[in-house]
Amino acid sequence: TQLLEQSPQFLSIQEGENLTVYCNSSSVFSSLQWYRQEPGEGPVLLVTVVTGGEVKKLKRLTFQFGDARKDSSLHITAAQPGDTGLYLCAGAEANAGKSTFGDGTTLTVKP
Amino acid sequence: NAGVTQTPKFRILKIGQSMTLQCTQDMNHNYMYWYRQDPGMGLKLIYYSVGAGITDKGEVPNGYNVSRSTTEDFPLRLELAAPSQTSVYFCASSYQSGAYEQYFGPGTRLTVT
Repeated sequence: TQLLEQSPQFLSIQEGENLTVYCNSSSVFSSLQWYRQEPGEGPVLLVTVVTGGEVKKLKRLTFQFGDARKDSSLHITAAQPGDTGLYLCAGAEANAGKSTFGDGTTLTVKP
Repeated sequence: NAGVTQTPKFRILKIGQSMTLQCTQDMNHNYMYWYRQDPGMGLKLIYYSVGAGITDKGEVPNGYNVSRSTTEDFPLRLELAAPSQTSVYFCASSYQSGAYEQYFGPGTRLTVT
């Protein structure tokens, strides 16, 4: 079973600050996804990265896939209270019928 | 489109009881998944299916069973419920695996006492 380690596990910051969360593995993934989950709801996809070194931007969120496709990062610029939630990364092996999820980073942005 | 629907939303079971968690998707997705999520943690895969009639074990299958008789439905059966099965259960579906988005249901919160 592939393992995905996310860090930090918890992060509490003030509105307007920047932050980066990480997703690391010793295994190579064919694709990696980031999801956000709000309390009482299911996760919702933010982005999928498939190419080593790929960078994708979604408004104030920047996602990067490592060159070796073993790790990824999520950077949020000028965090807002609406960014509060659990951020999950999920990696998929080539030709596997399933993905592996990390344990998540719980982000709290205080006004 | 309803997407992925799950019933019930909440359930309390006594130790040793059995129940079935229902999951239905209306997106004609081939792939369906059952996950459990413990408080403050990520998702652990219980079972998954790549199409009707085909199921496979995930990371934590013990104590659970599934069936996939149709494309739309993927019920999860708990036999002899135990306190360790207290968790939130999410069903998800996707067109294919890998880079394809998984669409999640709203979850079932299960407590075993």
